[in-house]
Amino acid sequence: SQQGEEDPQALSIQEGENATMNCSYKTSINNLQWYRQNSGRGLVHLILIRSNEREKHSGRLRVTLDTSKKSSSLLITASRAADTASYFCATDARTGGYNKLIFGAGTRLAVHP
Amino acid sequence: EAGVAQSPRYKIIEKRQSVAFWCNPISGHATLYWYQQILGQGPKLLIQFQNNGVVDDSQLPKDRFSAERLKGVDSTLKIQPAKLEDSAVYLCASSPNSGGSNQPQHFGDGTRLSIL
Repeated sequence: SQQGEEDPQALSIQEGENATMNCSYKTSINNLQWYRQNSGRGLVHLILIRSNEREKHSGRLRVTLDTSKKSSSLLITASRAADTASYFCATDARTGGYNKLIFGAGTRLAVHP
Repeated sequence: EAGVAQSPRYKIIEKRQSVAFWCNPISGHATLYWYQQILGQGPKLLIQFQNNGVVDDSQLPKDRFSAERLKGVDSTLKIQPAKLEDSAVYLCASSPNSGGSNQPQHFGDGTRLSIL
């Protein structure tokens, strides 16, 4: 399985601090995606990073990818209470001529005012 | 654009009963996915449609689960009979074009199923 595994499982920080979440995977990928899920809601796409990219930014989000270590990290800078959510990485897996996403178990982030 | 619509939001049934979920993807999106998300875990793909054809249903428990996508638009997922282990959130997602892993997926808010 190419399932990504997030670390830590849970993270608790104060508003204004930075939050870093890591994702490790087992086999080669074409790309990796990060999603956010607020309690009781569906997943929201954050960033897609391709295997030939090392870093991508989107607002307060920074994603890095190290294919030699088979790992990715998601950094949220200057966190806000509204960032409280679960964050999932998803890697691609080839099956029957199509690629599908395999999601990890997620990191639960709590940002306290 | 309107998002992915799912109904119902919540469903409580007894084991061995049947249940159906409905999904309306974003207009024009060719690919539709059904995921099962058990509490504390990430979503697991059950079935993927490309227009109205099945691309991947390798993790769909076909003895009890069935899904269809009529006319390549709306989709329904059915469980019959339900087991206690089916308690989960069922998420529908869609993506444009040919789907796959190189583009974002857009998720609905899911149906939370509880089996008594």
